[in-house]
Amino acid sequence: GQSLEQPSEVTAVEGAIVQINCTYQTSGFYGLSWYQQHDGGAPTFLSYNGLDGLEETGRFSSFLSRSDSYGYLLLQELQMKDSASYFCAVYSSASKIIFGSGTRLSIRP
Amino acid sequence: DAGITQSPRHKVTETGTPVTLRCHQTENHRYMYWYRQDPGHGLRLIHYSYGVKDTDKGEVSDGYSVSRSKTEDFLLTLESATSSQTSVYFCAISESRDRESYEQFFGPGTRLTVL
Repeated sequence: GQSLEQPSEVTAVEGAIVQINCTYQTSGFYGLSWYQQHDGGAPTFLSYNGLDGLEETGRFSSFLSRSDSYGYLLLQELQMKDSASYFCAVYSSASKIIFGSGTRLSIRP
Repeated sequence: DAGITQSPRHKVTETGTPVTLRCHQTENHRYMYWYRQDPGHGLRLIHYSYGVKDTDKGEVSDGYSVSRSKTEDFLLTLESATSSQTSVYFCAISESRDRESYEQFFGPGTRLTVL
């Protein structure tokens, strides 16, 4: 079968660093993406990892280990506007694309 | 922002009635997708299209059909709506040069309530 697991909620402090993990099980894996969604809004693309390693885009970084079927999104210098839900999504030949259930990130001042 | 619109933005209908949702893009992107989003389930792919008249099923296609007669329009039809199809529906597009891009741009969503 195919599955994605990510924590349902994470809380962090403004200015800190937070990591959101995603583990997956699928066949014909292509890559892993991350999306951000604010309440009432549409998802917006953050990153894509097709190869092992770290991809950095400003305050956000994403990591993939294909051998461990694992990835994470790292958010640095957290700001209140980063409060949102974050979804990992796996692309594969088996299912085209599957999204995780989302991690709700709450940031405290 | 990618030019994607969805219509209607909100709809309330009754069980058993047909419903069509429209997604319109001005980006000339090859790939288009329909998702539904429900609490606790994230986004689930219903159908997608890889070109005019070329469509395929996603994870939760039962009870839904799609059509794409023009590059810019992708229609999602619920032939006979049921209460389990109450959801927020998102359309997305992705760019293609030699292959599909993994970056998808989402429309604003349609909130559908089936009574």
